[in-house]
Amino acid sequence: EDQVTQSPEALRLQEGESSSLNCSYTVSGLRGLFWYRQDPGKGPEFLFTLYSAGEEKEKERLKATLTKKESFLHITAPKPEDSATYLCAVQGAGGSYIPTFGRGTSLIVHP
Amino acid sequence: EAQVTQNPRYLITVTGKKLTVTCSQNMNHEYMSWYRQDPGLGLRQIYYSMNVEVTDKGDVPEGYKVSRKEKRNFPLILESPSPNQTSLYFCASSPGQGLTETQYFGPGTRLLVL
Repeated sequence: EDQVTQSPEALRLQEGESSSLNCSYTVSGLRGLFWYRQDPGKGPEFLFTLYSAGEEKEKERLKATLTKKESFLHITAPKPEDSATYLCAVQGAGGSYIPTFGRGTSLIVHP
Repeated sequence: EAQVTQNPRYLITVTGKKLTVTCSQNMNHEYMSWYRQDPGLGLRQIYYSMNVEVTDKGDVPEGYKVSRKEKRNFPLILESPSPNQTSLYFCASSPGQGLTETQYFGPGTRLLVL
């Protein structure tokens, strides 16, 4: 059974204070690891897909990295508008196409 | 504007009264799915569809039905809702078949079953 654990559950940062969110996973063959951002009362918004260990992707102040056991979402010099819940999900290479989501990290960036 | 729409956005109903939540996407996507989101449990997939007339169970399909008669629509049907189906529901679509990359989510439907 695929599993995803995100840490920390909640994170408070000052504007400009860089940090990282962690997503640890176990899966029998990784088809893809996904990062989403979810604002209160809205649906998740796709950020990145990573397919293999060593891969990195960037978008504005966000950078996602992947190893064989975990993924990090690095936030550089965050702004208050980066406040949201960040979700990680994996899809294994088994027969089903069902993704497994973590519980998310709630990020608050104070001005 | 490319989007996934869901209706209704909010729904209060009573146990046993059949209901349908509609989902429509205007991006010509092959893959569509339904999720429920509960506090402390994260998103869990209910059903998914890789193409018209092709549907399959997700992690939590019990008590739900779906159909995919047209590419753009993927309604979620609760034949006899129960209080444990009170949740926040999301529909999503993706351009790829099978690999759920770049999923676009709808705005959500908040359901309360009394």
